[in-house]
Amino acid sequence: DAGVTQSPTHLIKTRGQQVTLRCSPKSGHDTVSWYQQALGQGPQFIFQYYEEEERQRGNFPDRFSGHQFPNYSSELNVNALLLGDSALYLCASSFLDRRASGANVLTFGAGSRLTVL
Amino acid sequence: SQELEQSPQSLIVQEGKNLTINCTSSKTLYGLYWYKQKYGEGLIFLMMLQKGGEEKSHEKITAKLDEKKQQSSLHITASQPSHAGIYLCGADRSGGGSNYKLTFGKGTLLTVNP
Repeated sequence: DAGVTQSPTHLIKTRGQQVTLRCSPKSGHDTVSWYQQALGQGPQFIFQYYEEEERQRGNFPDRFSGHQFPNYSSELNVNALLLGDSALYLCASSFLDRRASGANVLTFGAGSRLTVL
Repeated sequence: SQELEQSPQSLIVQEGKNLTINCTSSKTLYGLYWYKQKYGEGLIFLMMLQKGGEEKSHEKITAKLDEKKQQSSLHITASQPSHAGIYLCGADRSGGGSNYKLTFGKGTLLTVNP
């Protein structure tokens, strides 16, 4: 059973360029979240997609956008890249539990390491 | 300010020694999650704690959540080189459901010397 797969694994861009990162969730999962992890820091929540809509968003500018497809896969797009966008971008999937007290365990992919020069 | 504080930031132990990593929140948590990360890789789920006073164990790793649900500890018994990595605690303050997201600490880098 494949877990969360992300592509590409590594990429290098220059300032001002745009990048698209891709994620396929674990089989049976319907929710995809994206996290940014800078060097030496914990992951920071970017946004979450469910039913092809952005449901929650962290403290990230509009340059960060995403999409979820009918097959639950997702893309993260970053426009007008800045040096500070260099980080490991992690995709996590889960099955949405609508119970208020429910527990959702995120399954993470290996990440896409973005370097902005 | 950092919402989740992890201590220590880094830890070097000799193989066979016990160790403890702490995670403290200024706010009550609905859930506390422990993950392990090899450098530059994805996060591997270890354990989830939801109830005050809860304790869970898996192999040589034990995690506890205090009664007030604001502090958790991760204890490794008889450490091995395979335990080396970055340990991250993640907090769910939303109560799960459709608003679920995790806020992470900065992590604790564990080195186990053979």
